[in-house]
Amino acid sequence: AQTVTQSQPEMSVQEAETVTLSCTYDTSESDYYLFWYKQPPSRQMILVIRQEAYKQQNATENRFSVNFQKAAKSFSLKISDSQLGDAAMYFCAYRSRNRDDKIIFGKGTRLHILP
Amino acid sequence: DTAVSQTPKYLVTQMGNDKSIKCEQNLGHDTMYWYKQDSKKFLKIMFSYNNKELIINETVPNRFSPKSPDKAHLNLHINSLELGDSAVYFCASSHLLSPGVSSYNEQFFGPGTRLTVL
Repeated sequence: AQTVTQSQPEMSVQEAETVTLSCTYDTSESDYYLFWYKQPPSRQMILVIRQEAYKQQNATENRFSVNFQKAAKSFSLKISDSQLGDAAMYFCAYRSRNRDDKIIFGKGTRLHILP
Repeated sequence: DTAVSQTPKYLVTQMGNDKSIKCEQNLGHDTMYWYKQDSKKFLKIMFSYNNKELIINETVPNRFSPKSPDKAHLNLHINSLELGDSAVYFCASSHLLSPGVSSYNEQFFGPGTRLTVL
């Protein structure tokens, strides 16, 4: 079974600085997706960034980028120029490409932005 | 033009009651899901339906019964509510991923229903 581990329950970063959230996962599959979701206090689940396992190039979305290390099964999220609106729970997640099409979430990292 | 909607957004009820949460999507997706987020924010799949057929049924008490009257709706009925059922329940929808097909089908989440059992 696949698992997703986020070892940092909470992190803080100064506004305008850069922060990296860690994630590791375990799977025997070769074809899958990895995600970072953001959950602000409104509790809406917002997709931040997606990475296809077959792509070597790291995904980027504006200030958000990932460091995807497939052999190490590591998938970290870097947030540059942190803004107050980035404060939220961040979930690392895994989705298989087979018919058992569910998303497996890590336990989350609560990110605080310090003004 | 909400993509995935859930009703109600908040539900407060007594132990032992039976309650339902409704989910509707207007995205034309063929697959719908229920996830549970507990008090520690841990989010876990409960069920999924593809074209009204149950394809995922995680280890969930049989007091929980999903019902899919059509592809656009997936309701969650909970019998004999217990204190531990208090959580936020999220509905989601997507097209089913197909092995070997390169296009990605995003799962869209509803706003969640906060269930409080007293």
